[in-house]
Amino acid sequence: DAGITQSPRHKVTETGTPVTLRCHQTENHRYMYWYRQDPGHGLRLIHYSYGVKDTDKGEVSDGYSVSRSKTEDFLLTLESATSSQTSVYFCAIKEDRSNQPQHFGDGTRLSIL
Amino acid sequence: AQTVTQSQPEMSVQEAETVTLSCTYDTSESDYYLFWYKQPPSRQMILVIRQEAYKQQNATENRFSVNFQKAAKSFSLKISDSQLGDAAMYFCAYRSPGNQFYFGTGTSLTVIP
Repeated sequence: DAGITQSPRHKVTETGTPVTLRCHQTENHRYMYWYRQDPGHGLRLIHYSYGVKDTDKGEVSDGYSVSRSKTEDFLLTLESATSSQTSVYFCAIKEDRSNQPQHFGDGTRLSIL
Repeated sequence: AQTVTQSQPEMSVQEAETVTLSCTYDTSESDYYLFWYKQPPSRQMILVIRQEAYKQQNATENRFSVNFQKAAKSFSLKISDSQLGDAAMYFCAYRSPGNQFYFGTGTSLTVIP
């Protein structure tokens, strides 16, 4: 199994509070991704990174920011959480070789009340 | 943005029978990759099979095979000799040349004993 750890695995918080989710990898892969999964929508890309300090927006990036100061860590921050951001969040990694798939973490269930 | 469409929200199959899950995608690129992922109730995302767009030969992995029709932008998954453990949500995914991944909304597969 790919060495990906997401933390926390579950979190409940209140509207308006900041939230940071962490994705940690031990594979030294170049690419890292954050997705959210909601019923009827599949997985939607929030942000991704193609190297340290190199990030770009995905299709649902509003309300989210990311940082990657080290190869192994990719942080997703909700500056002021809203109930619409209640979701399951997945981190994924991918090595540089073009034919390789993504490997996913186990997900974080985030509930915003 | 690229789009991936899975038109079958739910499918069912008798144990030991064959089932085909449909996926279509939209792209103007010629070089890309396609994937099928399985998500059981445990929520893990598990790679089932991959297809390189430049390869005409359809990919196979044991009981899983694809029917890749590049001109029609179609990428269906066939599961032969279905087993109870195949019950899961299945996601089709498209990877762009820029290493962004786009997912369909998923097909929930039920296997009937």
